[in-house]
Amino acid sequence: GDSVTQMEGPVTLSEEAFLTINCTYTATGYPSLFWYVQYPGEGLQLLLKATKADDKGSNKGFEATYRKETTSFHLEKGSVQVSDSAVYFCARDRDDKIIFGKGTRLHILP
Amino acid sequence: DAGVIQSPRHEVTEMGQEVTLRCKPISGHNSLFWYRQTMMRGLELLIYFNNNVPIDDSGMPEDRFSAKMPNASFSTLKIQPSEPRDSAVYFCASSPTGGRQPQHFGDGTRLSIL
Repeated sequence: GDSVTQMEGPVTLSEEAFLTINCTYTATGYPSLFWYVQYPGEGLQLLLKATKADDKGSNKGFEATYRKETTSFHLEKGSVQVSDSAVYFCARDRDDKIIFGKGTRLHILP
Repeated sequence: DAGVIQSPRHEVTEMGQEVTLRCKPISGHNSLFWYRQTMMRGLELLIYFNNNVPIDDSGMPEDRFSAKMPNASFSTLKIQPSEPRDSAVYFCASSPTGGRQPQHFGDGTRLSIL
């Protein structure tokens, strides 16, 4: 069935390091793709989205490009901050639902 | 703008008791989703509604779980009787319409069954 696969965490980086979190999706149909972020004690929040091939979603310094040829939607940030420590979820839509990956926990060290 | 509002934020109760979780979606959103999050299983979709009608409840774990949406501004998730393995964080989310629209999550109810 439709699924989203993202790299397992935790990922630990130093402040100002470059971040990549890999995500691939099953290619059924032409899904919209999303990255959500969950801070401790809170619900998931939409971080960015892309609705068609070659679209780039961006927000708060994070970017992800919809790559149809590789069925990927990798999340990147050029210089992470301690405040970026959270769990990141890659997701795709299917019919009326959103299919989430298992989440990647990110720790940023000062 | 008010987001999705869930209550209570925390619930601790003894096994066998009835638990009712409440959710108020964002006004104007037609779709409502209930999720459960645990360390072992991650985020699981339990049930979702479109225009107050349950569309897919295949994720509801057992008959002990039930959900209702009596009107566009209120939904409940009930567990009766509760068991320790039901301990989790339960999230409610809403979206303007299903699919292609991002979902907006509440802050969750942390449920502990002793």
